This record gives sequence, C-alpha cells and structure tokens, in this order.
Amino acid sequence: QVQLHQWGAGLLKPSETLSLTCAVYGGSFSGYYWSWIRQPPGKGLEWIGEINHSGSNNYNPSLKSRVTISVDTSKNQFSLKLSSVTAADTAVYYCARARYGNHYYYGMDVWGQGTTVTVSS
Amino acid sequence: EIVLTQSPGTLSLSPGERATLSCRASQSVSSSYLAWYQQKPGQGPRLLIYGASSRATGIPDRFSGGGSGTDFTLTISRLEPEDFAVYYCQQYNSAPGITFGPGTKVDIK
Repeated sequence: QVQLHQWGAGLLKPSETLSLTCAVYGGSFSGYYWSWIRQPPGKGLEWIGEINHSGSNNYNPSLKSRVTISVDTSKNQFSLKLSSVTAADTAVYYCARARYGNHYYYGMDVWGQGTTVTVSS
Repeated sequence: EIVLTQSPGTLSLSPGERATLSCRASQSVSSSYLAWYQQKPGQGPRLLIYGASSRATGIPDRFSGGGSGTDFTLTISRLEPEDFAVYYCQQYNSAPGITFGPGTKVDIK
C-alpha cells in the first residue's frame, strides 16, 4: 500500500522560503504526477503544482513565480519550495499522488498527512 | 482559467436522506477530467469519483457522479453518519492545470 510521508518547517517569518519534502513508500515512483496542494485555515483547497519522475512539472500560474517543485528519484522523494512567504501562505500543505492516462485524469488517490505551515513575524 | 462553482454552500440533511451536490464550470470541462473528493475535519481529502462517474477504489456504491459539459453532480443515495463532511469537485485542464471548487458542506439537520 502506497503511503506518502511529508515533513518540513512549520513556522516561518515573512520573506523566508518554505521548504517541504514528501517521501513515497510502498509503490512505484514512475508513472504518476506528484502534487502539492494547500488549504488555508477554514478555507478550500488550492493546487500548487506537480512533477513527474522525469522532472516535468506544472505550476499554478498564481504561484508560479515563487514555486519550485523538484524530484529525487534515488530517494523516491519530491520537494516544494515557496519563496518570499507572507501571512497569506499560512496553510496546511499536502502532498498527493495523481495519475493521468491518455486524455484521462484519474485524480489524486493518495495523500500525505499534511503539514501546518504558519507565517508570522 | 476554469472556475468551478459548487452549490449549495451547505446542505443540511438527516441520515438516510439523499444528497445531491452540484458543480458548475465556467467553461466546458471534459468528463474525463472531473473528480470529486470528501474531506472530514482534521483529515486530508479522499478521492471519491474520477472521470466524472467512476468510483475510486473502496468507495461505496451509494456515491455516484454524473454530468457533462459545465454541469456535474455528486449524489449520495442514502446518507450514512460518516458521510457528513465537505465535498470538493476538481478539474484538470492542460493550461493552467488543476482547480478545485469552493466545496459543499453536508451537515446533520
């Protein structure tokens, strides 16, 4: 059974860089897109971006200038960096697995446990 | 960017009742690219439906999805106590990617 375990700093000051990592256990790393999603307190879900095992990525245009998602296939891990954070970046951040087929999207079927990130001076 | 709107914002029902949740897109979405998720307090989302109508692994058959174009529906045929949660629709489009609806909360009447 595939599991995702994520970790990273939970408290940041404005202008710092958010850094989170997600490890994939118990399943193949290739053949999927690995995503980051966030959820501000009391609000809905926002997709941040995704990457596949070969490093091909897609980003939310609203965050693209500040986001970098990278992959380390030797460790079955992928990471998120979000620069110049502000209080508006305070959220629970999730990693998730997504699968695409030929003109088909199978959804995000495995999720990490979530990491609460707070940005405060 | 495709914007998803969900209605109602809150649905108050009793166990055993039928729930019908709506997801409307600002422009046409391929059914192949529409998914639904359930989220309970303090938990991450759980995939319910993909391809607008296909149930994900382990999802009970009381959950069903349908629709096409700009109008999609998630139906829970008979609400169980564990179904009271927030439900999100999600779409994928090659550009600019993935967007979620704002969610519908199903709570106990």
